[in-house]
Amino acid sequence: GQNIDQPTEMTATEGAIVQINCTYQTSGFNGLFWYQQHAGEAPTFLSYNVLDGLEEKGRFSSFLSRSKGYSYLLLKELQMKDSASYLCAVMDSNYQLIWGAGTKLIIKP
Amino acid sequence: IAGITQAPTSQILAAGRRMTLRCTQDMRHNAMYWYRQDLGLGLRLIHYSNTAGTTGKGEVPDGYSVSRANTDDFPLTLASAVPSQTSVYFCASTDRPGQSNEQFFGPGTRLTVL
Repeated sequence: GQNIDQPTEMTATEGAIVQINCTYQTSGFNGLFWYQQHAGEAPTFLSYNVLDGLEEKGRFSSFLSRSKGYSYLLLKELQMKDSASYLCAVMDSNYQLIWGAGTKLIIKP
Repeated sequence: IAGITQAPTSQILAAGRRMTLRCTQDMRHNAMYWYRQDLGLGLRLIHYSNTAGTTGKGEVPDGYSVSRANTDDFPLTLASAVPSQTSVYFCASTDRPGQSNEQFFGPGTRLTVL
């Protein structure tokens, strides 16, 4: 079967760094996406990885290891507005997105 | 309008009633999707359409139907609602499925079936 695993909840301090992990087992792989979803709102796109390595975009970076079925999202210089759920999604062999349940990130002052 | 709109924002529905959730995008995207999001579960694909005139079944299609008469609109119909269809429903679109293009999401419809 297809499976995406992420921690349910994480807590971090304002100004710190946090790493959110995602492991996956899917039928085929055509890229991995990270989305941010604030409570009561729609998901919004953060990053896309299809090749191994690190993609940096401002305070956010995303890493992929296809051989390990593993990705992480790294958030630096945390701000209160980063309190949200972070969704990992893999594009499978049918070019459909398979979604993890999301990681709720709580930022404390 | 800009992006994707959904209507209604929220709805309480009696079991057994028919309901259509509306979704309209103005980005001329080819592909559109309907997901449901339930607490503790990831987004689950209900139905999708890769281009106007075609539709396909996702992971959880039972009890739902869709149509794609034109590029902009992709309504989702519950023929006879049941309490297990209580959920938040998101419509999404992307220009070219199967590539790195992100999916854009509508604001969601919160549906309660009693």
